[in-house]
Amino acid sequence: QKEVEQDPGPLSVPEGAIVSLNCTYSNSAFQYFMWYRQYSRKGPELLMYTYSSGNKEDGRFTAQVDKSSKYISLFIRDSQPSDSATYLCAMKIYSGGGADGLTFGKGTHLIIQP
Amino acid sequence: DADVTQTPRNRITKTGKRIMLECSQTKGHDRMYWYRQDPGLGLRLIYYSFDVKDINKGEISDGYSVSRQAQAKFSLSLESAIPNQTALYFCATSDPDRAEAFFGQGTRLTVV
Repeated sequence: QKEVEQDPGPLSVPEGAIVSLNCTYSNSAFQYFMWYRQYSRKGPELLMYTYSSGNKEDGRFTAQVDKSSKYISLFIRDSQPSDSATYLCAMKIYSGGGADGLTFGKGTHLIIQP
Repeated sequence: DADVTQTPRNRITKTGKRIMLECSQTKGHDRMYWYRQDPGLGLRLIYYSFDVKDINKGEISDGYSVSRQAQAKFSLSLESAIPNQTALYFCATSDPDRAEAFFGQGTRLTVV
């Protein structure tokens, strides 16, 4: 079992729909959770960063973390064609100077149809 | 100008050749990383560095080496390139007090 599972898609929805993207993880030591957006031939761009369980909202984006279920979500409201990209979830263990780096899901390819 | 700059952006090289990918950053972060991205496999950590004197292996370091020339510069070398090292390579930085990383635009490497 991979540490972080993410459905690769593609996920295709009409413009204006609410999009739900999800990741599950197996390592309960993960404490930091991020969502990145990656356009074709570009580097990952940080969208959302959360530390604790609960919701965090930023404009049309809401990140949700449920540590008890080891499940994180990203919701996109009023989706736009410009939201079409690959969305990567990423997680990190706090190690206080020990092992470092992010563990990524494989990414979900999202297509917003005009 | 980009905060994290990678050169070259694209490179085609032959099997057995030595190649170096370079990364520089203006974010002032101490921590720098090299990741590799393959279709269907996501991003995987190759090496990371806490500072100029501290280099650490990541998940897939075999066949790679790195050099931290300065706080702002971190290079990745393939001593003898092989075709299965064909991938998209990303450099990233982070602040030690924060978990999130900031990525460069990537280097697309093809080994033929």
